Amino acid sequence: KNQVEQSPQSLIILEGKNCTLQCNYTVSPFSNLRWYKQDTGRGPVSLTIMTFSENTKSNGRYTATLDADTKQSSLHITASQLSDSASYICVVSGPGGSQGNLIFGKGTKLSVKP
Amino acid sequence: SQTIHQWPATLVQPVGSPLSLECTVEGTSNPNLYWYRQAAGRGLQLLFYSVGIGQISSEVPQNLSASRPQDRQFILSSKKLLLSDSGFYLCAWAPLLAGGYNEQFFGPGTRLTVL
Repeated sequence: KNQVEQSPQSLIILEGKNCTLQCNYTVSPFSNLRWYKQDTGRGPVSLTIMTFSENTKSNGRYTATLDADTKQSSLHITASQLSDSASYICVVSGPGGSQGNLIFGKGTKLSVKP
Repeated sequence: SQTIHQWPATLVQPVGSPLSLECTVEGTSNPNLYWYRQAAGRGLQLLFYSVGIGQISSEVPQNLSASRPQDRQFILSSKKLLLSDSGFYLCAWAPLLAGGYNEQFFGPGTRLTVL
């Protein structure tokens, strides 16, 4: 069964600290993996997208890594800010299809405290 | 640039009442359109997707229906709401690319509470 598991479910860190969120998936075949940021009460916004041939991608203070062999991805946030408080969703895509074959994780809720 | 709109932003409805949520996309043509529901503590669940006017595919059996009367308009409806219909409803669009691979862009969402 195609699944995406994220950990931890929630995380509290102090402003300025770094953190790493994890995503494990069993989706096969695999097309790409995305990380979204979802502020409370808002729609998700894409942070990074990686295909199986990419093992790292950065977007400002956000760096995503992908190990397609172990089917693991991580999202590293550097020098966290209060505005980083949000849910981070890992989404894995199978190949093709109009519906995109997107498998969503349940997300990690990050709280950054002053 | 492309933008996606949803309304209303929030909605409180009694059980048994009808529902109509609207989603429109600007700045693109022939998009794929999607309706998702996000229940508290759950991942996004795909409800419907559409590849063109009048073409609707349902992912899960449910109390809801969808329609696409125009190229860039997607409507989610119900004749009689259930308590279990409460949740955060997200509309998304994706460019129609060869091979089906697409990036999805989400709207701001509608918070529905059924009492």
